[in-house]
Amino acid sequence: DQQVKQNSPSLSVQEGRISILNCDYTNSMFDYFLWYKKYPAEGPTFLISISSIKDKNEDGRFTVFLNKSAKHLSLHIVPSQPGDSAVYFCAASGDTDKLIFGTGTRLQVFP
Amino acid sequence: DAGVIQSPRHEVTEMGQEVTLRCKPISGHNSLFWYRQTMMRGLELLIYFNNNVPIDDSGMPEDRFSAKMPNASFSTLKIQPSEPRDSAVYFCASSLQGGSLSGELFFGEGSRLTVL
Repeated sequence: DQQVKQNSPSLSVQEGRISILNCDYTNSMFDYFLWYKKYPAEGPTFLISISSIKDKNEDGRFTVFLNKSAKHLSLHIVPSQPGDSAVYFCAASGDTDKLIFGTGTRLQVFP
Repeated sequence: DAGVIQSPRHEVTEMGQEVTLRCKPISGHNSLFWYRQTMMRGLELLIYFNNNVPIDDSGMPEDRFSAKMPNASFSTLKIQPSEPRDSAVYFCASSLQGGSLSGELFFGEGSRLTVL
């Protein structure tokens, strides 16, 4: 049973445009959400996070939005750059220390 | 500063053989996690330790998998006997946590396992 779902396995966006990556979760006990970025042959690296007491967190070109009623979060990247091409994982945690990850979305930013 | 160190980076073995993956977490971190990445399931949590004690091993697929953390600077994930369906990239991650999760995970570069 996948508690964190990323229904789009891939996304292709033109450089300079906005990239929107989506994530849904099923466990209402989750209260902390993170996005990780992964390049080939490397481990995932932390990108941005949001607590359930907020609905938006912004860090430079990256913004995460949280809709608790819909159990949905999204990552916006604007403007998108070729270096953003990677696999993006959504992750969530609740009252334990473990992070549950989604299946990932492969983003390709083309010139 | 050294990050999470995993070895081997690549392992090719034959079905039935024992496989041992190793991890050295970041010094000072008190939580260690083993994940497996596959196309179908993404990053699956296999087991995690807090202060060297296994807290949750519900993700370990079956008895063929075992993990140990004999001290704060070393952990192993063992598969015995290995099967072709175990082929995946195995990641180790560590973090500094206290109570609820507030710190991010730091991942190693992964161990790519191929079982023929």
